[in-house]
Amino acid sequence: NAGVTQTPKFQVLKTGQSMTLQCAQDMNHEYMSWYRQDPGMGLRLIHYSVGAGITDQGEVPNGYNVSRSTTEDFPLRLLSAAPSQTSVYFCASTAQRRNTEAFFGQGTRLTVV
Amino acid sequence: AQKITQTQPGMFVQEKEAVTLDCTYDTSDPSYGLFWYKQPSSGEMIFLIYQGSYDQQNATEGRYSLNFQKARKSANLVISASQLGDSAMYFCAMRGRTGANNLFFGTGTRLTVIP
Repeated sequence: NAGVTQTPKFQVLKTGQSMTLQCAQDMNHEYMSWYRQDPGMGLRLIHYSVGAGITDQGEVPNGYNVSRSTTEDFPLRLLSAAPSQTSVYFCASTAQRRNTEAFFGQGTRLTVV
Repeated sequence: AQKITQTQPGMFVQEKEAVTLDCTYDTSDPSYGLFWYKQPSSGEMIFLIYQGSYDQQNATEGRYSLNFQKARKSANLVISASQLGDSAMYFCAMRGRTGANNLFFGTGTRLTVIP
């Protein structure tokens, strides 16, 4: 069982470039989310989705877009990368039950130069 | 507003000893969930334990237990019989108000187990 799969694991971008971080889950979870982790700040919510076709903003959404065309996939798009977006990005999926844990992908370490 | 506070940036524990990692929270919701995750140096997020606000008993999972004191709004993680593999970052998190079971994280505690 693969769980939550993120690609790529590492990426270096130049300022102004765009890219998509891929996330796929095979647990048939309704909920998926993107977080970023910066030193000393824990994980912060970027965007999330409660199901196919439904997305919403989290705590730090600026500079990012998401879409959810299928239950399995939840890509995160950086439209014009900035050095402030240098971070580790985690995708997570959760079942609908309230007392269940989130399953995280392995993370993507992104550096914007 | 929801808030998670972890006041210990770093902790040291001798191998085979027990250690408590502190977590306090603030929320106005009567129903909430508290989670602990472990992040080893390899970077992945590993779920450890969950406590619901209405749970009557403190949660336990193997060597992990959660000391839940609702009136004090604290949810401390207790690791018994520490092992070298327990050296990692530990994050306390609260289930958020959004409709997707999202988590609101503390800043973490780095635990180092000394042989």
